[in-house]
Amino acid sequence: DADVTQTPRNRITKTGKRIMLECSQTKGHDRMYWYRQDPGLGLRLIYYSFDVKDINKGEISDGYSVSRQAQAKFSLSLESAIPNQTALYFCATSETSGRNTGELFFGEGSRLTVL
Amino acid sequence: AQTVTQSQPEMSVQEAETVTLSCTYDTSENNYYLFWYKQPPSRQMILVIRQEAYKQQNATENRFSVNFQKAAKSFSLKISDSQLGDTAMYFCAFMSGIKAAGNKLTFGGGTRVLVKP
Repeated sequence: DADVTQTPRNRITKTGKRIMLECSQTKGHDRMYWYRQDPGLGLRLIYYSFDVKDINKGEISDGYSVSRQAQAKFSLSLESAIPNQTALYFCATSETSGRNTGELFFGEGSRLTVL
Repeated sequence: AQTVTQSQPEMSVQEAETVTLSCTYDTSENNYYLFWYKQPPSRQMILVIRQEAYKQQNATENRFSVNFQKAAKSFSLKISDSQLGDTAMYFCAFMSGIKAAGNKLTFGGGTRVLVKP
């Protein structure tokens, strides 16, 4: 089983619908991140969380919200999906200081299409 | 804010040959980390190589090596003896060395590499 699991892997929805992308991890990492990938733009940070009580906006947080339900779970919500939120979404985790090498560990991505 | 630029949207290379991907970045920090990630068609993000800015020696990982030019803010990736399995999108990424910033990565736009048989 993957260390970082995202559900769903693919989703097609309609404009205005509420969508939740879920991420769970078994790596025991405190830090979790949500990125979106668009062609030519690479990956851009939406939200990140350093622990259950610490959630921060990234560079493109408008239109998104997150919930850190537990150390292992970090969900991304689109309250009212719009077509330009069509993208590939990645959840990632990382170690905290001490054993931190800077590496992010990614899930397999959730492809979202908003019609 | 940091920016990362990959100027080559696509590259192709014959199997067993060498290809070099370019990456430039902009930062005012002195201590930071640079990464190359590979994204094959499976879309999984895989760490290829990591460089710490305070280390002058270029990082190598088997057939992958980097040319890190700190003054020029350049961080190119060389893939030697290219294999079909190297076909993927490659992303260059920057991470601040400031601990409070966390492991937030800033990515370039990516370079698609096609290895031809």
